[in-house]
Amino acid sequence: SYVVTQPLSVSVSPGHTATILCSGDALGGKYVSWYQQKAGQSPLLVIYQDTKRPSGVPERFSGSNSGNTATLTISGTQTLDEADYFCQVWDSGTVVFGGGTKLTVL
Amino acid sequence: QITLKESGPTLVKPTQTLTLTCTCSGFSVDADGLGVGWIRQPPGKALEWLALIFWDDDQRYNPSLKARLTITKDTSKNQVVLTMANMDPMDTGTYFCAHRPPSGGHAWFDFWGQGTLVTVSS
Repeated sequence: SYVVTQPLSVSVSPGHTATILCSGDALGGKYVSWYQQKAGQSPLLVIYQDTKRPSGVPERFSGSNSGNTATLTISGTQTLDEADYFCQVWDSGTVVFGGGTKLTVL
Repeated sequence: QITLKESGPTLVKPTQTLTLTCTCSGFSVDADGLGVGWIRQPPGKALEWLALIFWDDDQRYNPSLKARLTITKDTSKNQVVLTMANMDPMDTGTYFCAHRPPSGGHAWFDFWGQGTLVTVSS
């Protein structure tokens, strides 16, 4: 079955750009979604179809996907962006989640 | 607005069958193109997709859990039900249901329920 891999953790200083990667075989040929999950809350969709932002998600969240790697970029990171982030793909009729990346803003 | 709410037992014994219900509002579970999925999360761990049912009753399962799972929908109650057989303490976690919007041949989840914590213990 298909596997997508994320780094366990990423740290960023407030106001700087955070980059979270998601890797998988030929991932660029699939649509990637990203979810933000804060402690004790349900996941929130922040990016779908590689680059699209749902209504209400701040413009500082952006996504890209090419080759074997998808990227979630948070520009001007704020302390409230501290959360776990999960990538997700649809492959061969199944949903696959990455293992999640803990973003620390300090 | 779209909302989903999970309900079911908070405690089940090993070997028992878990039945969870997702009550949906703001959309119809048989509206063209839509789907409802179940995802779980053990404490402190990653999200794990379990199952997805489409508007046309097409059902998809996580291959590693397929033998234990059944997903169905009740259009009269606008609910989606997940059963998981032979529960084990490793199945302890928060179980979420989520809305899959019309998205062609793809799937993502734009609305999630609050989740329900299920503990498996004798």
